[in-house]
Amino acid sequence: QKEVEQNSGPLSVPEGAIASLNCTYSDRGSQSFFWYRQYSGKSPELIMFIYSNGDKEDGRFTAQLNKASQYVSLLIRDSQPSDSATYLCAVKVLTGGFKTIFGAGTRLFVKA
Amino acid sequence: DAGVTQSPTHLIKTRGQQVTLRCSPISGHKSVSWYQQVLGQGPQFIFQYYEKEERGRGNFPDRFSARQFPNYSSELNVNALLLGDSALYLCASSQDREETQYFGPGTRLLVL
Repeated sequence: QKEVEQNSGPLSVPEGAIASLNCTYSDRGSQSFFWYRQYSGKSPELIMFIYSNGDKEDGRFTAQLNKASQYVSLLIRDSQPSDSATYLCAVKVLTGGFKTIFGAGTRLFVKA
Repeated sequence: DAGVTQSPTHLIKTRGQQVTLRCSPISGHKSVSWYQQVLGQGPQFIFQYYEKEERGRGNFPDRFSARQFPNYSSELNVNALLLGDSALYLCASSQDREETQYFGPGTRLLVL
């Protein structure tokens, strides 16, 4: 089992729709959870982080965390073509030292 | 404020050679982490350094080593390069070892 799993996609949504990206993780000791956006040929860019169970909203983005189910998600409201990118879920664990484990990413396409 | 900087931006080496990659963190950030990202995958954690000491290590061979300097900049060294080392090498900095990380533009390494 991979430590952080994401659907590779691609996920295709029409402009203005809600895009839902999901991520599961295996280490119950995971402390912090992050969503990064990565455009082709560029480095990852932080979108949101979440530490506690529940929802966290920032503009058009909402991160949701459920530690009991080991599940974290990202909702993008009013999706725009500029949101088309790969979205990386990252989990910070303390097992064996400090390290951040990334999923393989989900490719999102927003159709105009 | 300047973000994370990395040098060089691109590098071509041949098998068996050695390479040194450099990273300067955001001003005030004391932690630097290194990642390897191959095409189609998420970043894979290599090392985290905080206050010039190694705080975390990923599952990479001993050919990979790193260090952090008193000004918090860092170098990643890879010896005896293999074709499979061809990747984008990312550096990320954070204020301390548990804080949110911000990525530099990366160094693209090609091993021939």
